[in-house]
Amino acid sequence: GNSVTQMEGPVTLSEEAFLTINCTYTATGYPSLFWYVQYPGEGLQLLLKATKADDKGSNKGFEATYRKETTSFHLEKGSVQVSDSAVYFCALTLYRDDKIIFGKGTRLHILP
Amino acid sequence: NAGVTQTPKFQVLKTGQSMTLQCAQDMNHEYMSWYRQDPGMGLRLIHYSVGAGITDQGEVPNGYNVSRSTTEDFPLRLLSAAPSQTSVYFCASSGAQGTSYEQYFGPGTRLTVT
Repeated sequence: GNSVTQMEGPVTLSEEAFLTINCTYTATGYPSLFWYVQYPGEGLQLLLKATKADDKGSNKGFEATYRKETTSFHLEKGSVQVSDSAVYFCALTLYRDDKIIFGKGTRLHILP
Repeated sequence: NAGVTQTPKFQVLKTGQSMTLQCAQDMNHEYMSWYRQDPGMGLRLIHYSVGAGITDQGEVPNGYNVSRSTTEDFPLRLLSAAPSQTSVYFCASSGAQGTSYEQYFGPGTRLTVT
């Protein structure tokens, strides 16, 4: 079946460190891929997306590249800030499917 | 443009009580869904709707009912609350599904069943 696997958290980093959160997927067909972010006490909001192989999504200094050969969509940021502390969800949708499939989320703590 | 709104923000119920969680969106989205979020479990889909008058079950539908009489509203009913339904509930909407459209989430309802 279709699924998303992301690295277990929590991930704790110091401010200005480099961030990678791994995400791999299994899908029949050609999915669109997403990263959502959930700040404390809030709902999820879209961080970035990519709709086809080799596309790079970017927003707020975060980037992720759709790698079909490794079925991955890893989230990266060069220099994290305390305000990036949140839970990050990788997700996919498939054409003509009614559902979005989420990973279990990765909690990120950034220390000042 | 309010986006997706949910009421109430917090609710405490006793076992066996019923209640309705409200969800509304003002973006004319066809697709709406309900999720529950539990620690370590991520988001689990309860029910969803691809348009007014059409609903379907998700991953964890037992104990919940939905209806979609208008495009804007998608209430979630708990028929007889149980402690296992203690969770944070999120409503979401999207212009379409099975495409690259993003989902818009409400702020959530934190429900405790004692």
